[in-house]
Amino acid sequence: NAGVTQTPKFRILKIGQSMTLQCAQDMNHNYMYWYRQDPGMGLKLIYYSVGAGITDKGEVPNGYNVSRSTTEDFPLRLELAAPSQTSVYFCASRSRDFNEKLFFGSGTQLSVL
Amino acid sequence: DQQVKQNSPSLSVQEGRISILNCDYTNSMFDYFLWYKKYPAEGPTFLISISSIKDKNEDGRFTVFLNKSAKHLSLHIVPSQPGDSAVYFCAASGGRYGGSQGNLIFGKGTKLSVKP
Repeated sequence: NAGVTQTPKFRILKIGQSMTLQCAQDMNHNYMYWYRQDPGMGLKLIYYSVGAGITDKGEVPNGYNVSRSTTEDFPLRLELAAPSQTSVYFCASRSRDFNEKLFFGSGTQLSVL
Repeated sequence: DQQVKQNSPSLSVQEGRISILNCDYTNSMFDYFLWYKKYPAEGPTFLISISSIKDKNEDGRFTVFLNKSAKHLSLHIVPSQPGDSAVYFCAASGGRYGGSQGNLIFGKGTKLSVKP
């Protein structure tokens, strides 16, 4: 079982460039999440999805977009990258039941220079 | 405003002794609490959880205590091992009643170092 797979692991962007962070899970989980972790900070929720075709904003959605066309995939799009988006990005998923634990991917380290 | 607070950025403990990691929360609607462990260059992994209807949950060397009146929880690791060296995140969920879709709110983490 692969669990939650994130690509790429590392990326350097120039200011103003755009990119898509990929996330896929093979556990048939309904709920998927994108978090970012800045140095010395906790994980902050960017966007989440409760199922295919349904997405919603989290705490820090500005500068990002998401889509959920399938149960398995939940890509995060960065448009017009800014230095403030330098962070480590984690994708996570869980099953439908409340209080189920989150399964995290290994993260994408993004630097915007 | 931080709803989940881990006020100790780091903790150093000798191998074999007890590690106690603390977490405070402000939102009384939180009804489920989790601890995650994170090694460098890896994603967080679930460690242990506790529902607000309990005051203690134990899993091997790991025990979580919940004091609802104080809005405080703690993670005890006994005995501590060098492999426990990691960052530990406390997280809270409003579950069905928090209006938050069960989304987790994370603290900033505590870096535990267990010295041989």
